[in-house]
Amino acid sequence: GIQVEQSPPDLILQEGANSTLRCNFSDSVNNLQWFHQNPWGQLINLFYIPSGTKQNGRLSATTVATERYSLLYISSSQTTDSGVYFCAVSLNAGKSTFGDGTTLTVKP
Amino acid sequence: GAVVSQHPSWVICKSGTSVKIECRSLDFQATTMFWYRQFPKQSLMLMATSNEGSKATYEQGVEKDKFLINHASLTLSTLTVTSAHPEDSSFYICSARAWDSPYEQYFGPGTRLTVT
Repeated sequence: GIQVEQSPPDLILQEGANSTLRCNFSDSVNNLQWFHQNPWGQLINLFYIPSGTKQNGRLSATTVATERYSLLYISSSQTTDSGVYFCAVSLNAGKSTFGDGTTLTVKP
Repeated sequence: GAVVSQHPSWVICKSGTSVKIECRSLDFQATTMFWYRQFPKQSLMLMATSNEGSKATYEQGVEKDKFLINHASLTLSTLTVTSAHPEDSSFYICSARAWDSPYEQYFGPGTRLTVT
């Protein structure tokens, strides 16, 4: 099956700093989503981004499907950005494979 | 839009009893729902895929007689943990895909099950 690797596994930032999270995948996919899991466990959809670049406020994401990676950028981080960030990939409407996540801690 | 609810949000039950968890898509019709299990500080582990009106497809290693899944309508799927034991204690999360957006998943808030 498809392997998904996220890096770094842990990231500690000072409030206001920028960060880049990476998601590498082992095979061709045509669906990729980024999620933020908050401290209460809720997964929040950030981006559906099988290819290209999208921006939403302080967050943006880029997927280069031909090179099998996606990047999530967080600018001017806030304490509320803390949590675990997951990427999930799938082929067509098949089941998704999740990475192990990046745990982000933003300190005030 | 694309809201998924789960009920209950947490439950404590005694060993040997059964627990039912409901997953509802509130503002869209879900052709496919997924059930995941998550242990502390780990990623999501897919348990089964549920399609409306048909039997669920279970992942390897998941006991289908222990984790009963019913997808009775386009807005409701249920997971029943039968004869629960302490090792079944976990965080259970459902997700749904809409019929008109079959590639995006939307997640419920999760159910924390503790078996004593």
